[in-house]
Amino acid sequence: GQNIDQPTEMTATEGAIVQINCTYQTSGFNGLFWYQQHAGEAPTFLSYNVLDGLEEKGRFSSFLSRSKGYSYLLLKELQMKDSASYLCAVRNYGQNFVFGPGTRLSVLP
Amino acid sequence: GAGVSQSPSNKVTEKGKDVELRCDPISGHTALYWYRQRLGQGLEFLIYFQGNSAPDKSGLPSDRFSAERTGESVSTLTIQRTQQEDSAVYLCASSLDHEAFFGQGTRLTVV
Repeated sequence: GQNIDQPTEMTATEGAIVQINCTYQTSGFNGLFWYQQHAGEAPTFLSYNVLDGLEEKGRFSSFLSRSKGYSYLLLKELQMKDSASYLCAVRNYGQNFVFGPGTRLSVLP
Repeated sequence: GAGVSQSPSNKVTEKGKDVELRCDPISGHTALYWYRQRLGQGLEFLIYFQGNSAPDKSGLPSDRFSAERTGESVSTLTIQRTQQEDSAVYLCASSLDHEAFFGQGTRLTVV
């Protein structure tokens, strides 16, 4: 079967650091993706990991451990505009994307 | 085009009617995906097209749902005899290599 888990909601303070975890069990693995989705808008691509380790892109970093079926998205220097849902997705061998339920992040002043 | 384009952006239909949703992918993208997103929920996979290969239809929830794609261009998602449970945002995405790029979606409301 295929299963992707993320926390439903998280809250953090402006300027802080937040880590959003994702665990997965899928039929094959061909990359892990993080997307950001603001309310009422389409998801936009944030990061991609296919090998173990940390990928850094500005204020956002994403980590992958394939042996543990685990990833996290790290957001630094949080801004109010970072309030959004963050979607973890795994691409399986069929090249399809399986999405997790998303984590709704609220950044408070 | 510059991005993935979907039409209509909003559709209100009566229960029992058929609807057709359109997706124009980014030019040159060989892969095209349809997802459904109910209010406050995650993305539910519906169907995936890759080039001229047979589509992966494993996510279609019932035989009322079907989709077609002409070559590597436009795709249409058809829902027959719509039900209130079909109310959702239908998102289309296209991909060439790694990441998928999403359209703005069609918000379908069945009344």
